[in-house]
Amino acid sequence: EDQVTQSPEALRLQEGESSSLNCSYTVSGLRGLFWYRQDPGKGPEFLFTLYSAGEEKEKERLKATLTKKESFLHITAPKPEDSATYLCAVQAAGSEKLVFGKGTKLTVNP
Amino acid sequence: NAGVMQNPRHLVRRRGQEARLRCSPMKGHSHVYWYRQLPEEGLKFMVYLQKENIIDESGMPKERFSAEFPKEGPSILRIQQVVRGDSAAYFCASSPHDGAWEQYFGPGTRLTVT
Repeated sequence: EDQVTQSPEALRLQEGESSSLNCSYTVSGLRGLFWYRQDPGKGPEFLFTLYSAGEEKEKERLKATLTKKESFLHITAPKPEDSATYLCAVQAAGSEKLVFGKGTKLTVNP
Repeated sequence: NAGVMQNPRHLVRRRGQEARLRCSPMKGHSHVYWYRQLPEEGLKFMVYLQKENIIDESGMPKERFSAEFPKEGPSILRIQQVVRGDSAAYFCASSPHDGAWEQYFGPGTRLTVT
């Protein structure tokens, strides 16, 4: 069974304090790994897709990386507006469904 | 380009009533997915539909739940005889299927069963 585990469950940072979120996964043939951001009371907002080990994607203060067993979401010099829950999901080859982790709730204090 | 639209945003039903949740995908998207998010739980896949076809319903409860995506109009997730355990946020997503596999989510419908 495909599984995604995210750590830590919650993370508090001071503004400007860089850190990383982890997403460990097991999947029967990875088609893609996806990162989303979810604000309270809203739907997940798409951030990145990673398809193969070694791939990296960047967007503003966020950088996602992928290995054969895990993905990291690096946050450089975060701002309070980066506070949200970050979700990781995998999609297996031959399947359309996304399998999500429970997320990491990030709080950035000013 | 409008995003995925869902309505209603909030729905309150008494036990035993029916709930109908609607989803209009992004323009140009013909693939629709439904997910459920229970309190303190992650998002769980329910069903994947294309126009007039259910492709994968492996995440749908066997009883009381059904989904459709007609040729014209929005996709509908229908829950008959709701129970308290059905209280959750229900999200719809759509995908362009143009070589990219990401799914774009709507704002969700929050169902409360009293």
